[in-house]
Amino acid sequence: EAGVAQSPRYKIIEKRQSVAFWCNPISGHATLYWYQQILGQGPKLLIQFQNNGVVDDSQLPKDRFSAERLKGVDSTLKIQPAKLEDSAVYLCASSLDLSTGELFFGEGSRLTVL
Amino acid sequence: EDQVTQSPEALRLQEGESSSLNCSYTVSGLRGLFWYRQDPGKGPEFLFTLYSAGEEKEKERLKATLTKKESFLHITAPKPEDSATYLCAVYSGSARQLTFGSGTQLTVLP
Repeated sequence: EAGVAQSPRYKIIEKRQSVAFWCNPISGHATLYWYQQILGQGPKLLIQFQNNGVVDDSQLPKDRFSAERLKGVDSTLKIQPAKLEDSAVYLCASSLDLSTGELFFGEGSRLTVL
Repeated sequence: EDQVTQSPEALRLQEGESSSLNCSYTVSGLRGLFWYRQDPGKGPEFLFTLYSAGEEKEKERLKATLTKKESFLHITAPKPEDSATYLCAVYSGSARQLTFGSGTQLTVLP
C-alpha cells in the first residue's frame, strides 16, 4: 500500500516570497490534515479536510496561508507571503477514522525562510 | 484548551537499560490518547491508542499505560534502533483534533 506522498521535500525561499506544498493521501482516506512542526516541538494542526470540505482551520493563519483539496484527493498548502517564523516542516497526514488516532503521515516538506 | 506535557525532553539510555517516558494531559472529555514514534527526517509513525484508564497496549519492547491524568511509555531492554522521538497526543470531544506534546527524544547507546 502506497503511503502519503509529499513534495517538495525541501524548499528555501526569501521572506515575502510564496511557496506551495503538495500532498497525495493514502487511497480511500477521506480525511486529510496539514500540520506544522517547528524544530523541537510537536506537530500543530493547521487544517483538516473531510473529503472536499474543511472541518477545522481554526489555527490556520488565513492572512497568509491557504489550502485546498481538489476532488477529495490531492491537497495543496500555500504560503504567501512567507515570514521567517514560517520556517518549519509541513506534514501531511491522512486517516480513515480520527477516533482511532491512527494518522498516516508523509515524510514532510522542510521549509526554510531566509 | 487541551494540553499535553511530555517528560523528560531527552533521555539517554544504555542498551538494555529499561526506563519510562511520561505524558501528562489536561483535556475536557478524553476520547483517546495516542503514542507515535518519529525518526529524524520522517513523519510520525503510529504506535498505540489507549481509550480508558487502566488500559495497556504492548508492542515488542514497548508498553503503553494510561491513568486519568497521564500515560507512560515503558521501554524494556531497549536497543539502539529504538532511538527516536516519541510523541504523545490526545483527542478530546471538545477539541475534535489531535493535540500533540513536544516529544521525548530517546537515544539508546550500544
